Amino acid sequence: QVQLVQSGAEVRKPGASVKVSCKASGYTFTSYDINWVRQANGQGLEWMGSLNPNNGDTDYAQKFHGRVTMTRNTATSTAYMELSSLRSEDTAVYYCARGFESVTTWFDPWGQGTLVTVSS
Amino acid sequence: SYELTQPPSVSVSPGQTARLTCSGDGLAKHYGNWYQQRPGQAPVVVIYKDNERPSGIPERFSGSSSGTTVTLTISGVQAEDEADYYCQSGDSSASLVVFGGGTKLTVL
Repeated sequence: QVQLVQSGAEVRKPGASVKVSCKASGYTFTSYDINWVRQANGQGLEWMGSLNPNNGDTDYAQKFHGRVTMTRNTATSTAYMELSSLRSEDTAVYYCARGFESVTTWFDPWGQGTLVTVSS
Repeated sequence: SYELTQPPSVSVSPGQTARLTCSGDGLAKHYGNWYQQRPGQAPVVVIYKDNERPSGIPERFSGSSSGTTVTLTISGVQAEDEADYYCQSGDSSASLVVFGGGTKLTVL
């Protein structure tokens, strides 16, 4: 079955960077975008950007431009999201999700989420 | 700006029909999608492209669209439907994907 499995929880100090991985299985990795969405505790969902695993092209939400980098390794069907210059407000669960496009983007399935805690 | 507005909460009794709305000007151009998120779990798409239901999602979930509002209807609500529901729209290729603030569905 189609599945996205993410790396484990991370703790970072303010100013540091974190890199989260998302391993895809059950489908052709290069055929669908991988999107990243985050959710602070008790808050809503926030889209960060998307990665085309076929050619490495990315689209980032304006809010994260300059701080986020999305990459992939096609040999291992793994996508990565790196967020730099971390601050306490970046403490959240980070999800990867496979993206579909038809005028509008939607996401299915989602990874299990990775908790990133930013604390001094 | 591209915003989607959802009521914070909706309450229904088991067996009744729940209607969750999502409004935004962008919905006149893009489809609306709906996700169910149970506590401690990742979101799951229940409706995409306004009214398409993924395989495995019960038939009691349906979607509709009118102008700048999309609606998720849950017929014959069950206790297991208690969750947060998020609408979403936009186009990632335009770096524009937006989620509504979410509606907490409570089954009384």
